[in-house]
Amino acid sequence: GAVVSQHPSWVICKSGTSVKIECRSLDFQATTMFWYRQFPKQSLMLMATSNEGSKATYEQGVEKDKFLINHASLTLSTLTVTSAHPEDSSFYICSARDGQKHYGYTFGSGTRLTVV
Amino acid sequence: QQPVQSPQAVILREGEDAVINCSSSKALYSVHWYRQKHGEAPVFLMILLKGGEQKGHDKISASFNEKKQQSSLYLTASQLSYSGTYFCGTGQHLSGNTPLVFGKGTRLSVIA
Repeated sequence: GAVVSQHPSWVICKSGTSVKIECRSLDFQATTMFWYRQFPKQSLMLMATSNEGSKATYEQGVEKDKFLINHASLTLSTLTVTSAHPEDSSFYICSARDGQKHYGYTFGSGTRLTVV
Repeated sequence: QQPVQSPQAVILREGEDAVINCSSSKALYSVHWYRQKHGEAPVFLMILLKGGEQKGHDKISASFNEKKQQSSLYLTASQLSYSGTYFCGTGQHLSGNTPLVFGKGTRLSVIA
């Protein structure tokens, strides 16, 4: 149980374009999902908390206009990297927890974004 | 605040044991342990809740001392498959609405 699906697994885009990453909870409802970013050999850094039906909560230093988060349903959250630049290249991972069970937080498989 | 993990890295031979520690300056409700292999997402190992839990699975176990705000992950008779980076994530509430804050990770390499 508690499966989180993330797509795409990788994406290469040109500077200035926008990229959308999807995160779905497959067998549970997630009113809250979390988006992390991980640079090579570093820890997972929380970017934002995605709340179903309301605005996302962004961590300090994360530009909300650049990283648009939409949590339109209880099973889907999307992260859109707008006007991507090479410094946005990173591993983006979403996470959610099945509140009905005492499971740990489940992570999606991650999306490796490369901006060229 | 980010929990502190130690050691930063460790190299083991197959069959050896290792301990990874995680400490926080804040009161904790839970500690979550994950293992991440290169290029992959973190995989959940176990969660320990407030109340001084200890638990294990196969040859991996963990303890949580809430008074000291510390948790330790014990890897016994290590196998090659144990290689990876281990992260502890700390939670201050059981609610699924609060995110985990992760330590910087401990890179474990098991060699034959």
